[in-house]
Amino acid sequence: GDSVTQMEGPVTLSEEAFLTINCTYTATGYPSLFWYVQYPGEGLQLLLKATKADDKGSNKGFEATYRKETTSFHLEKGSVQVSDSAVYFCAVDGYSTLTFGKGTMLLVSP
Amino acid sequence: NAGVTQTPKFRILKIGQSMTLQCTQDMNHNYMYWYRQDPGMGLKLIYYSVGAGITDKGEVPNGYNVSRSTTEDFPLRLELAAPSQTSVYFCASRRGEGYQETQYFGPGTRLLVL
Repeated sequence: GDSVTQMEGPVTLSEEAFLTINCTYTATGYPSLFWYVQYPGEGLQLLLKATKADDKGSNKGFEATYRKETTSFHLEKGSVQVSDSAVYFCAVDGYSTLTFGKGTMLLVSP
Repeated sequence: NAGVTQTPKFRILKIGQSMTLQCTQDMNHNYMYWYRQDPGMGLKLIYYSVGAGITDKGEVPNGYNVSRSTTEDFPLRLELAAPSQTSVYFCASRRGEGYQETQYFGPGTRLLVL
């Protein structure tokens, strides 16, 4: 079945630092890839997605590029803010269901 | 447009008690899902439904039951609560099949079994 591997956290950064959260996946076919974000005490919400190879998803300064050759979908942001502190989940679409990674906690200090 | 709503927000159960977690969506989505999230772990799929009257098991269905009599509602039933079911439960929905559909999540139900 499908699987997603994310880098373990927590990732601790100072404000305005560069962020990378690695995500690799295994899946058959050409699945869509997603990043979801979960703020404390809330449900998950979509951050960005990419639906085919070489697509770049972007939202709120975050970006991720669908790399089929390396089966990766790494999340990046050039300058993080305290308000970006949350848990980030990478997910692969298995048509009827999504398979999620374990999540990576990001802590940004002022 | 409320999206996906879940009730209750928090519940404490004694071992062996039963309860139903409610989930409703007002987006006319065909697909609905139940996940559990344990500390430090990702989301694990319990059950899902691709339409009214159709349900299927996910990764961790034991100890749970579901039904889908309407498009809007997808309740999750715990028959004999056990401490291992202490978790945060999320309901989600999406419009339909396909590789591009976004899932929308509810705010979660925190369940403590003592």
